[in-house]
Amino acid sequence: GNSVTQMEGPVTLSEEAFLTINCTYTATGYPSLFWYVQYPGEGLQLLLKATKADDKGSNKGFEATYRKETTSFHLEKGSVQVSDSAVYFCALSPQGGSEKLVFGKGTKLTVNP
Amino acid sequence: DTAVSQTPKYLVTQMGNDKSIKCEQNLGHDTMYWYKQDSKKFLKIMFSYNNKELIINETVPNRFSPKSPDKAHLNLHINSLELGDSAVYFCASSRASGGSSDTQYFGPGTRLTVL
Repeated sequence: GNSVTQMEGPVTLSEEAFLTINCTYTATGYPSLFWYVQYPGEGLQLLLKATKADDKGSNKGFEATYRKETTSFHLEKGSVQVSDSAVYFCALSPQGGSEKLVFGKGTKLTVNP
Repeated sequence: DTAVSQTPKYLVTQMGNDKSIKCEQNLGHDTMYWYKQDSKKFLKIMFSYNNKELIINETVPNRFSPKSPDKAHLNLHINSLELGDSAVYFCASSRASGGSSDTQYFGPGTRLTVL
C-alpha cells in the first residue's frame, strides 16, 4: 500500500541553522509529493509540491527534490527563522487520479532565537 | 475572505450525543474532504466528495455520515459520540477530480472533545 515515513520529532534548532526533515515514501508508479505546514492553532497549508521525478519544489526558502531512485522527498532550508516553528507533514497523492492524500506522522520544529 | 471555513472551531460534548460540523469552501472547487487528526497529530482521510458524490469512504464507523447539499458544502454528522472520537477534524477542498497533483486547501479545523 501507499505510505509515508518522516523523521520523528521534535526538532529544535537555533535561528539561522540548517534544516533537514527526511521523508521517504512507498507507492506504486509516480505519486505526487507534498509538504504541508501547520502553524500553531491553524489548519494545514501547502508549503511546496513536486509532481514528477527530479522536480524540485520550493517556497519561502524551503526546498525538496523528488528522488524516484531513493523514494525520498526531504525538506531543507538553509537558514531557519523563529517564524518557521510549526509541524511539517510530508504527504503523497497516488498516481492514477485518486485525490487521497496519505500523510506522514508530522515533525514538530521549534526554532529558538 | 476565508477559502475553506469550518464551524464550530471547538466542540465539547458528552458521550452518546449527536453533533454536526459544517464546512464551506468559496474557491469553486469540485472536490471536498474530511480528515481526522488524532492526539499525536496523525492525519488520516475519512471521506471525499466530488460534485456531491461520495468517492472515497475509508474505514470509518457508520456513526459518521457526511452530507453534501451542494458542491460548496460538506458537513459531517456524528451519531452516538464516543471518547475515541475526540480529535481535530479538518475539512479540505481541491480543484477537480482525477488530478493527483492538485493542491488541497484545508480549513482551520474543529477540535472535538467528547467527555
